[in-house]
Amino acid sequence: SQKIEQNSEALNIQEGKTATLTCNYTNYSPAYLQWYRQDPGRGPVFLLLIRENEKEKRKERLKVTFDTTLKQSLFHITASQPADSATYLCAPRVRVSNAGNMLTFGGGTRLMVKP
Amino acid sequence: NAGVTQTPKFQVLKTGQSMTLQCAQDMNHNSMYWYRQDPGMGLRLIYYSASEGTTDKGEVPNGYNVSRLNKREFSLRLESAAPSQTSVYFCASSYGTGGSSTGELFFGEGSRLTVL
Repeated sequence: SQKIEQNSEALNIQEGKTATLTCNYTNYSPAYLQWYRQDPGRGPVFLLLIRENEKEKRKERLKVTFDTTLKQSLFHITASQPADSATYLCAPRVRVSNAGNMLTFGGGTRLMVKP
Repeated sequence: NAGVTQTPKFQVLKTGQSMTLQCAQDMNHNSMYWYRQDPGMGLRLIYYSASEGTTDKGEVPNGYNVSRLNKREFSLRLESAAPSQTSVYFCASSYGTGGSSTGELFFGEGSRLTVL
């Protein structure tokens, strides 16, 4: 069955360092993958999208890579700040019918950036 | 511009009671979704509506019904609530789902439901 794995343990890093979060998927080949940020008690917010033919995508301090051979996406936050503390969700696309492409979400990794 | 609005934000039900979660979006999006989020389980798709007038089952549809009332509104109904339906429910919308659409999802703030 299709499976998405994100590290369920919290990632604790020092302010100013680079945070790297991992998303692994098995038993399917998504055409694209999205990353979302979720703060406690709030709904997820879209951050970045990367397509299968893109190796890397950047947006300000964020960088996402997509390795379709390893079936893995890495999400990097450079020069991390305490305000980056949140849960980050990866969401590969799944085709559910001829009419629709759905996003299936991983369980998320909680990032804690300490000053 | 409110985005996606869900009501109620909190609800406590007794087993067997029914209720409807309401969702409305003001972004003129074609597609709407209902997810539930449980600790350690991630977001799981309950039902979705690719366009006005259509609805389809997601990953965990049992015990739920939906209605796409118009382009703006998509409601989720629990006919006979069970403790296993205690969860946080999120409504989301996107421009599209079909073909090559890669539309990002816009989420509401969530509805926290407890079934005793």
